[in-house]
Amino acid sequence: NAGVMQNPRHLVRRRGQEARLRCSPVKGHSHVYWYRQLPEEGLKFMVYLQKENIIDESGMPKERFSAEFPKEGPSILRIQQVVRGDSAAYFCASSQQGTRDEKLFFGSGTQLSVL
Amino acid sequence: GESVGLHLPTLSVQEGDNSIINCAYSNSASDYFIWYKQESGKGPQFIIDIRSNMDKRQGQRVTVLLNKTVKHLSLQIAATQPGDSAVYFCAERGVKAAGNKLTFGGGTRVLVKP
Repeated sequence: NAGVMQNPRHLVRRRGQEARLRCSPVKGHSHVYWYRQLPEEGLKFMVYLQKENIIDESGMPKERFSAEFPKEGPSILRIQQVVRGDSAAYFCASSQQGTRDEKLFFGSGTQLSVL
Repeated sequence: GESVGLHLPTLSVQEGDNSIINCAYSNSASDYFIWYKQESGKGPQFIIDIRSNMDKRQGQRVTVLLNKTVKHLSLQIAATQPGDSAVYFCAERGVKAAGNKLTFGGGTRVLVKP
């Protein structure tokens, strides 16, 4: 978990609002992965980004969800017009070079609650 | 599609005993497997990993066993302690997966009784 910072830790939104989740990777890491976790379930892959590029978004819902990792600043997972089914814990992980020998470091997550 | 699953959703173990957590995977093309520990309100924490060219790897109090013939992975925790109470996930990476994209299993909750 060293160094991956996610904020906010808890986010409450009403249906129809927008949710923005931020992830600052370990310093020097340029690869970020977003996962979603429903209660009592495992983590589900959403998207894999490298600086300014989306590498794999096969786990992202086709509508309302988007992610970015700009050259400067944190990675952002954006959920538009949230619905109750979006309530979950969202975790971010990072790696330095994206090579297959690297371990992933996870943040503590953002718990999104949609009222 | 690809999936990683667990046999036992909850495991109760007496403090000091050994714990064994099992995991089945379906993707025969996976080349890397990891066990994570997740405590309440926290992110997954790396425990131990193993590559597909190995069948056993040991760490501090933990051992991972890989049986590729039956696509089975297990985590053994020796002398289980109260601090081991958590949910444990296995995860796998397919050879064609981008970067370090991982597929997680459903998790096993370990409860350590004093």
